Amino acid sequence: EAGVVQSPRYKIIEKKQPVAFWCNPISGHNTLYWYLQNLGQGPELLIRYENEEAVDDSQLPKDRFSAERLKGVDSTLKIQPAELGDSAVYLCASSFGGAGNEQFFGPGTRLTVL
Amino acid sequence: QQPVQSPQAVILREGEDAVINCSSSKALYSVHWYRQKHGEAPVFLMILLKGGEQKGHEKISASFNEKKQQSSLYLTASQLSYSGTYFCGTGGAGGSNYKLTFGKGTLLTVNP
Repeated sequence: EAGVVQSPRYKIIEKKQPVAFWCNPISGHNTLYWYLQNLGQGPELLIRYENEEAVDDSQLPKDRFSAERLKGVDSTLKIQPAELGDSAVYLCASSFGGAGNEQFFGPGTRLTVL
Repeated sequence: QQPVQSPQAVILREGEDAVINCSSSKALYSVHWYRQKHGEAPVFLMILLKGGEQKGHEKISASFNEKKQQSSLYLTASQLSYSGTYFCGTGGAGGSNYKLTFGKGTLLTVNP
């Protein structure tokens, strides 16, 4: 079974530039998560989707971050414009069903903003 | 509220045992444990649910004290492959149970 796929794996941009990350979850997983992970820290939830619907985006900085999950499968997370403090690893995870089920994480995209 | 993990780091020799603790200040529905190696994705180890249900790998054991809002992960007869950072993620009671809040992690190093 293929795991969660993310691309790109690494991205280096200058501040104020836009950037986008893509995630393909495990087939059949209706719940998709985007996390941000700073160095030496645990993942922090940015947004959670149930199928196409963003059911928890309370932690997403909506002035510069946006996300979409068209057709309830792949998802894209965008930052525009990027700031120096956005440098981090962006992780995508997926799960099937409710809160008692494990989340499967992708390898992440390491973003460096110069 | 971010759960507190202890210890922050631990160094073992192969074959030794370790316990990693996770403590929360809020009522919990679930505790999830993950291991992450440097530059890799977090890998699922175990889920402990309120009421006693557990899901996870056979070789991993953990406990969940609902009253104290604490969980412990037990690593016995450690192997070199156990090295990595261990994170607990806690899910709150009620409507917040889908949202996991992760601790800062415990760095485990297993030496030959």
